[in-house]
Amino acid sequence: DAGVTQSPTHLIKTRGQQVTLRCSPKSGHDTVSWYQQALGQGPQFIFQYYEEEERQRGNFPDRFSGHQFPNYSSELNVNALLLGDSALYLCASSGMDRGRPYEQYFGPGTRLTVT
Amino acid sequence: DAKTTQPPSMDCAEGRAANLPCNHSTISGNEYVYWYRQIHSQGPQYIIHGLKNNETNEMASLIITEDRKSSTLILPHATLRDTAVYYCIVRGYNQAGTALIFGKGTTLSVSS
Repeated sequence: DAGVTQSPTHLIKTRGQQVTLRCSPKSGHDTVSWYQQALGQGPQFIFQYYEEEERQRGNFPDRFSGHQFPNYSSELNVNALLLGDSALYLCASSGMDRGRPYEQYFGPGTRLTVT
Repeated sequence: DAKTTQPPSMDCAEGRAANLPCNHSTISGNEYVYWYRQIHSQGPQYIIHGLKNNETNEMASLIITEDRKSSTLILPHATLRDTAVYYCIVRGYNQAGTALIFGKGTTLSVSS
């Protein structure tokens, strides 16, 4: 059983460009959350998707948007990239799993560098 | 969610027990204590969670004080692979899959 997978693993973009990151949840999970982790900091919650709708959102500008597909996979889109958007972007999925409900399982992350 | 306080760093010798403390003095009655860890450049990994009884699994033990204002994560025989940032998080159990609020955690360094 594959865990949470993310693509790409690394990405370099220029200021002002747009980027799309992808996430496939763990098998059997229906909820996907996205986090941003700057260097030396803990992950910060961006938003969460459930049943193809944004259910909860953290303190991030509208430049950050997302989507969830019927197969529960998800995309994170960031428009008008700023240097400060350089970070590790983590995807986490959750759902019932072997009797342990709701723990979030994280993917390896996508390292985004904005130059 | 209640706020947590952890020491910024700790050292441990390989093979010894690592005891990581966490203070959560404002925890409410229906909130659980969760522990995650993050090995360098990887995604956070769930370790264990508990409400008020001590919990043990294949990775660690969680000891929660009787007043629930603090807890300790115990790695009984630390190895070099346990070097990581450890996060203590408090949230309600019925907050199914809702946001995890990470602090800066404790950086545990295990040395031989």
